[in-house]
Amino acid sequence: DSGVTQTPKHLITATGQRVTLRCSPRSGDLSVYWYQQSLDQGLQFLIQYYNGEERAKGNILERFSAQQFPDLHSELNLSSLELGDSALYFCASSVAQGNYGYTFGSGTRLTVV
Amino acid sequence: AQSVAQPEDQVNVAEGNPLTVKCTYSVSGNPYLFWYVQYPNRGLQFLLKYITGDNLVKGSYGFEAEFNKSQTSFHLKKPSALVSDSALYFCAVRDGGNDMRFGAGTRLTVKP
Repeated sequence: DSGVTQTPKHLITATGQRVTLRCSPRSGDLSVYWYQQSLDQGLQFLIQYYNGEERAKGNILERFSAQQFPDLHSELNLSSLELGDSALYFCASSVAQGNYGYTFGSGTRLTVV
Repeated sequence: AQSVAQPEDQVNVAEGNPLTVKCTYSVSGNPYLFWYVQYPNRGLQFLLKYITGDNLVKGSYGFEAEFNKSQTSFHLKKPSALVSDSALYFCAVRDGGNDMRFGAGTRLTVKP
């Protein structure tokens, strides 16, 4: 157990639907990062939050959004889902910005049918 | 912006032989370099990192990595590979306050 909790572990939904992925960071970590891992595109950075505020954006689609709540857990919302959104979505957390490494959750496998 | 390249999609080695997984990086400032390993259906696990100091960094499970500033490389090495080392390996770079950027990953297969 890495200390980063992601739910659900698996999610199957239809095209056009909306889903919410949840992440609880490791105790004491203020930063949360979301990554998408698909077979043909490796690990793509989506978005970062630090202590409730958005800090960095990567290749996140406009159909996707995220937020970090006062208790530091984060949610990634994916809407108008397409078949190509099927992937593993990882959350990672770290203490702060700088030279710290990340601790990853075990991921949510999203399948869009 | 920082970036990382892993030139090999796949590395195959025999058990007991030394292994090397290659990584090169590009950053504008001082690099913070990391290696992670991913086993099937699992998240990424931290192996080791280079921040400053000795160019040879030792990490988990007998892995080590050599930082070479002139070649902008951070290759992962292990003197004697195990079948259980078979996994997907990611090199990553963090440039100070920026987010971490990962390479495309290298699949290591160790054959008995």
